[in-house]
Amino acid sequence: GAVVSQHPSRVICKSGTSVKIECRSLDFQATTMFWYRQFPKQSLMLMATSNEGSKATYEQGVEKDKFLINHASLTLSTLTVTSAHPEDSSFYICSASSPTGDTQYFGPGTRLTVL
Amino acid sequence: LAKTTQPISMDSYEGQEVNITCSHNNIATNDYITWYQQFPSQGPRFIIQGYKTKVTNEVASLFIPADRKSSTLSLPRVSLSDTAVYYCLVGAPALSGSARQLTFGSGTQLTVLP
Repeated sequence: GAVVSQHPSRVICKSGTSVKIECRSLDFQATTMFWYRQFPKQSLMLMATSNEGSKATYEQGVEKDKFLINHASLTLSTLTVTSAHPEDSSFYICSASSPTGDTQYFGPGTRLTVL
Repeated sequence: LAKTTQPISMDSYEGQEVNITCSHNNIATNDYITWYQQFPSQGPRFIIQGYKTKVTNEVASLFIPADRKSSTLSLPRVSLSDTAVYYCLVGAPALSGSARQLTFGSGTQLTVLP
């Protein structure tokens, strides 16, 4: 149980285009999902907290107009990187909170490369 | 959120028991301790979580002393496939059904040698 999937697993895009990443909790409902970014050889950095049916809460320094988050259902959250630039190239990981809220289960991550 | 301190790296040999200690001096009364494992280009995988004393599952054991200012993740008889980064996180469980955020430290790079 507690499986979280992400799609796509890797994406390469041109500078200026937008990319959408999906995060799904497959066997449980997640009121809250989180989005992280991880650069090479670094730890995970929380970008935003996504609550089903409400606006996401962004961490300081994360542009909400650039990283659009939609959490339309209890099993799906999406992250859209708008007008992507090479510096947005990173490993994006989502997690879904367990029904009790005390454990997070992570997706496999999405490798974004912006040319 | 309580800050955690772990060794940056550790080396071990196949078949040995590995103990990774995490320091969390400012742990709060309601905080739990959670360990995750991360392989390159993969999302973190939940290993174990505990509040006090000892917790054991099929993968690892977690030892927490009475003062809870540190914890030790114990991996029995490691293999090459246990080479990964291990993160120790501390935080309070959810209140009123809301989820809690996790703050990742630098983690410990465990390298298992043949």
